[in-house]
Amino acid sequence: NAGVTQTPKFRVLKTGQSMTLLCAQDMNHEYMYWYRQDPGMGLRLIHYSVGEGTTAKGEVPDGYNVSRLKKQNFLLGLESAAPSQTSVYFCASSYWGGAYEQYFGPGTRLTVT
Amino acid sequence: KQEVTQIPAALSVPEGENLVLNCSFTDSAIYNLQWFRQDPGKGLTSLLLIQSSQREQTSGRLNASLDKSSGRSTLYIAASQPGDSATYLCAVVETSGSRLTFGEGTQLTVNP
Repeated sequence: NAGVTQTPKFRVLKTGQSMTLLCAQDMNHEYMYWYRQDPGMGLRLIHYSVGEGTTAKGEVPDGYNVSRLKKQNFLLGLESAAPSQTSVYFCASSYWGGAYEQYFGPGTRLTVT
Repeated sequence: KQEVTQIPAALSVPEGENLVLNCSFTDSAIYNLQWFRQDPGKGLTSLLLIQSSQREQTSGRLNASLDKSSGRSTLYIAASQPGDSATYLCAVVETSGSRLTFGEGTQLTVNP
């Protein structure tokens, strides 16, 4: 049981490049989330999903897109990376929304130059 | 908009001391409150989850309390150890949805 995994662990992009971050969970959780963590701003929700095929915007969705084609996977895309997207990105999952604990992945450290 | 505040931002204590970390939130209409631990360069590990109908939860040397009406939660750590050194974050889930709003955390250092 690996829990929540994220790939890649580190990435450096140039401004304007695109990339996709992959999150996978093996706990059969319905809800999945993408957060970013920045110094002085804490963790902020980017997008989330309440089930396969669904996505919803969080607090800071601009510049990101997501897809949940399979229940176990949640992808975060950056179409045209900007330096403001330099951050640590965390994926999380929970069994069924707010009543249940959220389990976090180890994070992806992204630098945009 | 829900705001979550954690005080102090940093705390340094000698090993063996009992300590309290504080978390306050502005909107008392919460579904639950969760405490996390984050080690440097790592993800978050869930420590305790308190449902809005509960007053406290305990796990080992950790005890978390919740006073929803006053918008406060505390995390009590008994007999602290150097291995407890980490950043502790609290987060609330509002009744309107399933999303967590996080505080910025308290960075705890336990000195041997």
